Amino acid sequence: QQQVKQSPQSLIVQKGGISIINCAYENTAFDYFPWYQQFPGKGPALLIAIRPDVSEKKEGRFTISFNKSAKQFSLHIMDSQPGDSATYFCAASKDGGFKTIFGAGTRLFVKA
Amino acid sequence: GAVVSQHPSWVICKSGTSVKIECRSLDFQATTMFWYRQFPKQSLMLMATSNEGSKATYEQGVEKDKFLINHASLTLSTLTVTSAHPEDSSFYICSARSGHGEGAFFGQGTRLTVV
Repeated sequence: QQQVKQSPQSLIVQKGGISIINCAYENTAFDYFPWYQQFPGKGPALLIAIRPDVSEKKEGRFTISFNKSAKQFSLHIMDSQPGDSATYFCAASKDGGFKTIFGAGTRLFVKA
Repeated sequence: GAVVSQHPSWVICKSGTSVKIECRSLDFQATTMFWYRQFPKQSLMLMATSNEGSKATYEQGVEKDKFLINHASLTLSTLTVTSAHPEDSSFYICSARSGHGEGAFFGQGTRLTVV
């Protein structure tokens, strides 16, 4: 019930394309769903986050889509750029950020 | 976003020695901080929750006597890896929340290598 399942494990996208990463959760007590971006040797950086009462949130080129009934959420990166090449983690937590549980991660490579 | 600073960014120590890692919230007070461990190309695994002024809460399978956590103030938590062994070599990352309902912000991580 504490797991967050993330797919795909790796993703290669052409520059300018759309990158899509999917996550699913079981625990309906989760109320906060962030996405983190991590570059090698660095800590994760909060990218964008959403709460269950919202179905979509957009910040610049990054969009989270949230399906509460299916217990799924996804990250869309529009106009993907080589600088977006990193590992992306979806996550979930209760109480808005307490004890964050991470997905397995997706290694994104954007080809120039 | 809020800033969490972690120090050192990397450390090499001899087997059997202890290493202390600091995690500071620079522009906010954090009653709760979290310590994670990350192996190469893997996800972050929560080790423990650090509570200011009280004992840390460890996740199942984490040795509390090996990974000592102290949260002495609202801006500082420390993780001490005691009697380190090569299998303790890993990337350790702390995080903190700046407030209720806010996301967790992460430090830059500490690469520990035990030789």
